[in-house]
Amino acid sequence: SQQGEEDPQALSIQEGENATMNCSYKTSINNLQWYRQNSGRGLVHLILIRSNEREKHSGRLRVTLDTSKKSSSLLITASRAADTASYFCATGQGAQKLVFGQGTRLTINP
Amino acid sequence: NAGVTQTPKFQVLKTGQSMTLQCAQDMNHEYMSWYRQDPGMGLRLIHYSVGAGITDQGEVPNGYNVSRSTTEDFPLRLLSAAPSQTSVYFCASSGTNRHEQFFGPGTRLTVL
Repeated sequence: SQQGEEDPQALSIQEGENATMNCSYKTSINNLQWYRQNSGRGLVHLILIRSNEREKHSGRLRVTLDTSKKSSSLLITASRAADTASYFCATGQGAQKLVFGQGTRLTINP
Repeated sequence: NAGVTQTPKFQVLKTGQSMTLQCAQDMNHEYMSWYRQDPGMGLRLIHYSVGAGITDQGEVPNGYNVSRSTTEDFPLRLLSAAPSQTSVYFCASSGTNRHEQFFGPGTRLTVL
């Protein structure tokens, strides 16, 4: 069974707006990662947040982690058409056994 | 560096046929994994390896075999293909003490 559950399943916004997607998980984790998948392509790693961190930034990405609620959020600011993709959270005890959620399909409208 | 490469990109099999999906990486990564992705779903782990000669099962290993004779290569074998194995297969690798995985472009497999 998959541990991560993303919400919403699909999100459509206008270019320039901010996009927020959420991930909930069930068991304790060492870290949580976010990946992007463009249509028909492999996944690309975006950002990793460790269990002892609460917030992390990378460019236009902001990730938060609340271990008490077993949830994380990914915020993409000032969205661009190129941000159109599916976004997945992944949790794991180690690099080799990641468990992925079902993903959020993000569409950025021009 | 080519990163993680997978062949073939597309494959159509008949039920009962066998085949091997190839995966190679040139980053000297210890960890390699195979996932399958079904429509509207996330990735599910099939098998993984923490180094040459060491493999272990993931969430959905039935119907698949793997071996890891070298650091670079991690082939996935379907012994007797079934329609339920129709999916997109991704290979990934990661380095020691690193958690992010690098993914190949995928193999789209259809079993008729």
